[in-house]
Amino acid sequence: DVVMTQSPLSLPVTLGQPASISCRSSQSLVYSDGNTYLNWFQQRPGQSPRRLIYRVSNRDSGVPDRFSGSGSGTDFTLKISRVEAEDVGVYYCMQGTHWPYTFGQGTHLETK
Amino acid sequence: EVQLVETGGALIQPGGSLRLSCAASGFTVSSTYMSWVRQAPGKGLEWVSIIFTGGATNYADSVKGRFTISRDNSENTLYLQMDSLRAEDTAVYYCARGGIYDSGSAWGQGTLVTVSS
Repeated sequence: DVVMTQSPLSLPVTLGQPASISCRSSQSLVYSDGNTYLNWFQQRPGQSPRRLIYRVSNRDSGVPDRFSGSGSGTDFTLKISRVEAEDVGVYYCMQGTHWPYTFGQGTHLETK
Repeated sequence: EVQLVETGGALIQPGGSLRLSCAASGFTVSSTYMSWVRQAPGKGLEWVSIIFTGGATNYADSVKGRFTISRDNSENTLYLQMDSLRAEDTAVYYCARGGIYDSGSAWGQGTLVTVSS
């Protein structure tokens, strides 16, 4: 199985400051069709997961533009340009290239 | 508006069976790929099973041979039949529409399955 490794696992951030989460996969996530199926999910406390980013850098509908994704191959990053209170929660990267699809361990974002 | 409502979670003894349902509205379950994802208490996410528009299915190794994903187009509902349940199957089970390859993603609120004697 593809192992997804996130860092850091805990991320204390001051409101208004940027935040960055790294995600590395144990093998390339480039599929045979040329696409890279790397997604980012947010899970707020007590809520279901919600996808933020698909195929590395595409924001889902309704996702604020302070969220951005980048990367290629095996190294990916989720950035929040200015953290707001509603961003508190756990962030997961997830690969949809190789079955079984796998998630990272999750990064707990909290405000200082 | 797209909506997914899971039901069927319960407390069940090891070795027992349970069927989860996911009632969809705002779209038809046969028109896109659908999945079940679970989250053990206080833990991360695990993709359990997926069914594609043509009917092909995939399962995580941890549930292969014990769980069966299916859909009823007339009821517009996704199902997960869970047999030979184990304590490690204890989790909140989420139904998801899309969410992997393309735009458009929706998740239900989840239903809790507890396997314990």
